[in-house]
Amino acid sequence: GQNIDQPTEMTATEGAIVQINCTYQTSGFNGLFWYQQHAGEAPTFLSYNVLDGLEEKGRFSSFLSRSKGYSYLLLKELQMKDSASYLCAVRSNYGGATNKLIFGTGTLLAVQP
Amino acid sequence: GAVVSQHPSRVICKSGTSVKIECRSLDFQATTMFWYRQFPKQSLMLMATSNEGSKATYEQGVEKDKFLINHASLTLSTLTVTSAHPEDSSFYICSARNMGSGLPDTQYFGPGTRLTVL
Repeated sequence: GQNIDQPTEMTATEGAIVQINCTYQTSGFNGLFWYQQHAGEAPTFLSYNVLDGLEEKGRFSSFLSRSKGYSYLLLKELQMKDSASYLCAVRSNYGGATNKLIFGTGTLLAVQP
Repeated sequence: GAVVSQHPSRVICKSGTSVKIECRSLDFQATTMFWYRQFPKQSLMLMATSNEGSKATYEQGVEKDKFLINHASLTLSTLTVTSAHPEDSSFYICSARNMGSGLPDTQYFGPGTRLTVL
């Protein structure tokens, strides 16, 4: 089966650092994506990992360990506008599928002053 | 680059009517588009994969006769919800794969369509 787990909610303080974890058990793993979604809007692409290690992109970094089925998204210097849901998505080509994305339930991050 | 639009953004309809939602890739060609559904406080669930010029591939549990998908060109896919019922009320989001410009094979999402069936 395909299973992706994330914490449901997190709270952090403006200016701080927060780490959002994602664990997965999927077949046909072909990359992991992080998306940000504000309420009532579509997801926007944040980062992509296909090899083990850390990818840094400004205030956002994402880490992947394929052997552990684990990823995290690190947000630095938090701003109020970072309050949103963060979706972990695994790309799978299981069964010859066209690289479809399987989404976790998302982590709702609340940034407080 | 990599902009995807959806129309309409919101639609309210009566039970039993059909609703068509359009998804367009504005600045790139998309041989593959995806349709998702998202219920409140839940994550995105893939409904179907739409391939230009061929039949869509539906996920398990999604009725292909109820959710008609047409991908007639490299920049347009449509989802028609036929005989809509209140339980079909949801946020429908499309995405398009951008295979070009050296980017990873990334899906770019449209702004979504909020469907309310009365």
